[in-house]
Amino acid sequence: QVQLQESGPGLVKPSETLSLTCTVSGYSISSGYYWGWIRQPPGKGLEWIGSIYHSGSTYYNPSLKSRVTISVDTSKNQFSLKLSSVTAADTAVYYCARVSEVRGVIAHYFDYWGQGTLVTVSS
Amino acid sequence: DIQMTQSPSSVSASVGDRVTITCRASQGISSWLAWYQQKPGKAPKLLIYAASSLQSGVPSRFSGSGSGTDFTLTISSLQPEDFATYYCQQANSFPPTFGPGTKVDIK
Repeated sequence: QVQLQESGPGLVKPSETLSLTCTVSGYSISSGYYWGWIRQPPGKGLEWIGSIYHSGSTYYNPSLKSRVTISVDTSKNQFSLKLSSVTAADTAVYYCARVSEVRGVIAHYFDYWGQGTLVTVSS
Repeated sequence: DIQMTQSPSSVSASVGDRVTITCRASQGISSWLAWYQQKPGKAPKLLIYAASSLQSGVPSRFSGSGSGTDFTLTISSLQPEDFATYYCQQANSFPPTFGPGTKVDIK
């Protein structure tokens, strides 16, 4: 069973960089699939941040692209998110998730999710 | 970006009721649509992908239909565990975008 777990600081100061890691168990990232980050501000809807393949190939949301870096560490079976120059608007629950495939074709649906971690941006 | 809208924004229903939620895309997305269920404090759960394909392990009372710009999620007989918020999401083009959600609560 594929499981994902987010980790990282729950509080980040404005203008600093938010850093989160997603640890995957039950599946080797090196075997395939894209892996993504999605966030949800308190009481609001879902926003896709970006996705990464084990090779390092990435897709980013254009609205965040200038501030986002997603990386992968296959030796640790982890992938990570960095979001720079954060403001209060970046306060959200951050989820990591697996991007699904439909009949072998990458389809940006999200079939396995972590439990989410709340990151608050505040001084 | 493709904008996703949902209606209604909330619906009150009773156990056993048939519930239908509508999702509309701002441009055609073929069948590249998913539905998720989210309960308070939990991650979203994939219910339907490719507009009408049931994700493994999801009860058959959930069904999806539509293509192009208009889609529906139907719960044929609402169960107590189905009270939640439901989101649609398009996967036709980047960036993937989600609808604003429909909350299904107890009447």
